[in-house]
Amino acid sequence: GEEVAQTPKHLVRGEGQKAKLYCAPIKGHSYVFWYQQVLKNEFKFLISFQNENVFDETGMPKERFSAKCLPNSPCSLEIQATKLEDSAVYFCASSQWDRGGYEQYFGPGTRLTVT
Amino acid sequence: GESVGLHLPTLSVQEGDNSIINCAYSNSASDYFIWYKQESGKGPQFIIDIRSNMDKRQGQRVTVLLNKTVKHLSLQIAATQPGDSAVYFCAETPDKLIFGTGTRLQVFP
Repeated sequence: GEEVAQTPKHLVRGEGQKAKLYCAPIKGHSYVFWYQQVLKNEFKFLISFQNENVFDETGMPKERFSAKCLPNSPCSLEIQATKLEDSAVYFCASSQWDRGGYEQYFGPGTRLTVT
Repeated sequence: GESVGLHLPTLSVQEGDNSIINCAYSNSASDYFIWYKQESGKGPQFIIDIRSNMDKRQGQRVTVLLNKTVKHLSLQIAATQPGDSAVYFCAETPDKLIFGTGTRLQVFP
């Protein structure tokens, strides 16, 4: 498609439950990025993919967060055993190029609320 | 660590006036900069970008200025309109995007 799609729009989980977020990048874009935005503040980079391969995962809290981009499937970001501090809006972005030579197009985000 | 920051958290301007939003960055290796606009409940929307080998770039009603000497970036919006009301983020990248904390632009009639 011509826009980055993210589902669900809102997700509520009790502390300790699992959360799974989905992202469909713009068709033809080979790079996918996940960001976390807390309280309208700055974006925290989590992970990026080049096609189905992890490109940069330096921002991922690896003990509970995982992500995948499999062929012919939406990309996913999964949080095991959610904590209150995971409450945030999670944005996915796609790009034709990883170094920002082409801008990253953002989806509308998934708002995760952990209660 | 490396960071991108904004000088003013909120900017209020009258409709029709010009707006200037400033941003400081600290990563000397950054070679590409982007301004994003984020409206309430939406994802960031690309406004304009600039490479480090340039010091000015103009778009429709927007201009980005880059001063590498003092590591400063600014976004100028001409004839600000109510639809420009949003939070504006600057972002830098040597590889992944590093965002600043955002400036809220409020346009009043």
